[in-house]
Amino acid sequence: AQSVTQLGSHVSVSEGALVLLRCNYSSSVPPYLFWYVQYPNQGLQLLLKYTTGATLVKGINGFEAEFKKSETSFHLTKPSAHMSDAAEYFCAVSDPATGRRALTFGSGTRLQVQP
Amino acid sequence: NAGVTQTPKFQVLKTGQSMTLQCAQDMNHEYMSWYRQDPGMGLRLIHYSVGAGITDQGEVPNGYNVSRSTTEDFPLRLLSAAPSQTSVYFCASRPGTGYNEQFFGPGTRLTVL
Repeated sequence: AQSVTQLGSHVSVSEGALVLLRCNYSSSVPPYLFWYVQYPNQGLQLLLKYTTGATLVKGINGFEAEFKKSETSFHLTKPSAHMSDAAEYFCAVSDPATGRRALTFGSGTRLQVQP
Repeated sequence: NAGVTQTPKFQVLKTGQSMTLQCAQDMNHEYMSWYRQDPGMGLRLIHYSVGAGITDQGEVPNGYNVSRSTTEDFPLRLLSAAPSQTSVYFCASRPGTGYNEQFFGPGTRLTVL
């Protein structure tokens, strides 16, 4: 069975500091990887995705992530945090058990941005 | 396009009651899914559908039924609500082959007393 591990349920950074949210996965097939963001009392919004091709992917709001097959990782980064980045972030992998029609999610990382 | 819509936004049930959470999408997506979100557990797949008339179970299907009579609608039924089903429920849809992004609805917050 595949799984997604997000290291750190809470991460706190200062405004302007680097944001690094960690995601490791296990998958029996080449993975399709996603990062979603959830603002309070809202649904999930796609930040970025990796399916094939370039391993460094850029998303919305200045976020990017790098797929590293050798490390089975897909960490999310942003060079300079903004107060508006405070939210919960979920890493997900397409689920081979569903023919990649649904997702397996990590447990989430809540990002706090301090002024 | 309205995207993925869910009703109701909030619901309180008593143990043993039944209800249906509604989900609709207007993007002509083949695939639709239901997830539940619980603190510290991320989102877990309940049921999914790959087209009208075709559904399958996800990770946590017990206590829930689904059907897909049209491409647009994918209702989730709680047969006899239990406190363990207190959660936030999200419906999602995505196009068929070749494109993998899932689009999520705004969620339904369900409390079972």
